[in-house]
Amino acid sequence: SQQGEEDPQALSIQEGENATMNCSYKTSINNLQWYRQNSGRGLVHLILIRSNEREKHSGRLRVTLDTSKKSSSLLITASRAADTASYFCATVFISGGYNKLIFGAGTRLAVHP
Amino acid sequence: EAGVAQSPRYKIIEKRQSVAFWCNPISGHATLYWYQQILGQGPKLLIQFQNNGVVDDSQLPKDRFSAERLKGVDSTLKIQPAKLEDSAVYLCASTNYLKGGTDTQYFGPGTRLTVL
Repeated sequence: SQQGEEDPQALSIQEGENATMNCSYKTSINNLQWYRQNSGRGLVHLILIRSNEREKHSGRLRVTLDTSKKSSSLLITASRAADTASYFCATVFISGGYNKLIFGAGTRLAVHP
Repeated sequence: EAGVAQSPRYKIIEKRQSVAFWCNPISGHATLYWYQQILGQGPKLLIQFQNNGVVDDSQLPKDRFSAERLKGVDSTLKIQPAKLEDSAVYLCASTNYLKGGTDTQYFGPGTRLTVL
């Protein structure tokens, strides 16, 4: 089974509102990454947070990581219709000397104009 | 810089037929991944190559799936014979990964496979 579990599975908001997505995982990680996938497209890397970091910002994105609770959250502020997509967290841990990514099931975000 | 290229974009086949997907990673990227993404789920790693060697194929159904990366650049993923449950998007990703470093993956657009 996949390590990352995301919550909620689907989120519907109005433009201008904030969107928060959560990710929980089970084992120790090296880092955690968030990816975005538009319908019918590949995944695009958004942001990476290392296990020794607690918060990271990139434009309208804010990611937090709580390793004691094994959870992360992605906040998109002032959302736009163009933010409509699926968002996946990927937990990264070392296996056989190489980094291994395990993706969650994703949160489907719909931003309405 | 060109992105990860995949072909075909779409493929429809009958069960028990064979199918092959092709991936050309970003130039210089030593690590290449094939993922299977079933509708409504996140990508699941099938196989990971480092140059032309296999690093991880623990989740590859080896009785029907095979993959190769002969010259350490392009890669092909084959399914023979296909089953209905193989219907999914097959994603290729690459990274200029260094051991101990971070691993940001760059994805291609995927091949959507429908098995009838």
